[in-house]
Amino acid sequence: SQKIEQNSEALNIQEGKTATLTCNYTNYSPAYLQWYRQDPGRGPVFLLLIRENEKEKRKERLKVTFDTTLKQSLFHITASQPADSATYLCAPQLTGGGNKLTFGTGTQLKVEL
Amino acid sequence: GAGVSQSPSNKVTEKGKDVELRCDPISGHTALYWYRQSLGQGLEFLIYFQGNSAPDKSGLPSDRFSAERTGGSVSTLTIQRTQQEDSAVYLCASSLPDRGRSPLHFGNGTRLTVT
Repeated sequence: SQKIEQNSEALNIQEGKTATLTCNYTNYSPAYLQWYRQDPGRGPVFLLLIRENEKEKRKERLKVTFDTTLKQSLFHITASQPADSATYLCAPQLTGGGNKLTFGTGTQLKVEL
Repeated sequence: GAGVSQSPSNKVTEKGKDVELRCDPISGHTALYWYRQSLGQGLEFLIYFQGNSAPDKSGLPSDRFSAERTGGSVSTLTIQRTQQEDSAVYLCASSLPDRGRSPLHFGNGTRLTVT
């Protein structure tokens, strides 16, 4: 069955370092993959979308990679700040795979001073 | 413009009662989704509306759950005879119709507590 895996353990890093979050998927061939940020008590907020023919996508301090061979996406935050602390969700998206966008369970990131 | 608006933000109800949760999507967004998020869990898809097409109800957990979308805009999620396991945050999202390439815009959810 289709599965999306994100690290369930929180990732703690020091301010200024690069945070790297992993999203692995199995039995999927997504055409797109989206990343969202969720703060406590709030709905998820869209960050980046990457297509299967794109290896890498950047937006300010954020970078996403998409390796369709490894079936993995990496989400990087460079020069991390305490304000980056949140839960980050990935959502691989199939074409013609139905109308639902399926999310991973998310990884909680804590950036410490 | 305004984002996705959900009401109420919190709802406490007794087991066995019916509840209605409301979602006002972003104007012009023809796609509307309902998700459920239990404490510490991921988002569970419930139902999807796209324009005038028949909704995708494949995620509704039981026949106690139903949703409608009137006039292609506001949506109501109804849970009949609520059970304690229905306690969760119910999130609504809207997007432009090209689902794969259009990001979802979420509301802040309705926190439902069934006592």
